[in-house]
Amino acid sequence: AQSVSQHNHHVILSEAASLELGCNYSYGGTVNLFWYVQYPGQHLQLLLKYFSGDPLVKGIKGFEAEFIKSKFSFNLRKPSVQWSDTAEYFCAVNPAGAAGNKLTFGGGTRVLVKP
Amino acid sequence: DGGITQSPKYLFRKEGQNVTLSCEQNLNHDAMYWYRQDPGQGLRLIYYSQIVNDFQKGDIAEGYSVSREKKESFPLTVTSAQKNPTAFYLCASSSEGNTEAFFGQGTRLTVV
Repeated sequence: AQSVSQHNHHVILSEAASLELGCNYSYGGTVNLFWYVQYPGQHLQLLLKYFSGDPLVKGIKGFEAEFIKSKFSFNLRKPSVQWSDTAEYFCAVNPAGAAGNKLTFGGGTRVLVKP
Repeated sequence: DGGITQSPKYLFRKEGQNVTLSCEQNLNHDAMYWYRQDPGQGLRLIYYSQIVNDFQKGDIAEGYSVSREKKESFPLTVTSAQKNPTAFYLCASSSEGNTEAFFGQGTRLTVV
């Protein structure tokens, strides 16, 4: 069974600072990778996803993530955060080719951006 | 608007009572899922259904039950056998294949 680790539980930073959230997974085969975001009071929504191809993927709101297969990592980055990026961020994986979409989530990282 | 509707938003239950959480989607998705969210643990899969009249246990199915009589609906019952039911419950759906899962706004269940 696959597992996902997000090493930072809480991150506090100031506006315009750069953000990087770590995500590592364990699974022996090919995976699909996702980052979801949950803004305060809102539903979980997809930030970006990787299925195949270019390992550097760009998502909404200026976020990007890089898949490094050798490190089993899919770290999320944003060069300059805004106060509106305050949210909880979840990394998720599911085995490529698996029927359905049984995502395995990491524990989440709460990000607080100070104005 | 297309999407997933969960109701109610907040639910209180007395110990020993069963309670059913509603999830409806109008996205014409075949697959639906129930997750439980606890602080610091992310989301854990309770049950999922890939087609009407069929469903499978997820990682933490004990104390829960589901039904899938209609494509649009996937209700979750939290039974009295669930030892720690206070949590935030999220319903999701996706179309066939490895595509994005769409989530509802969640139901916060509190046992009093």
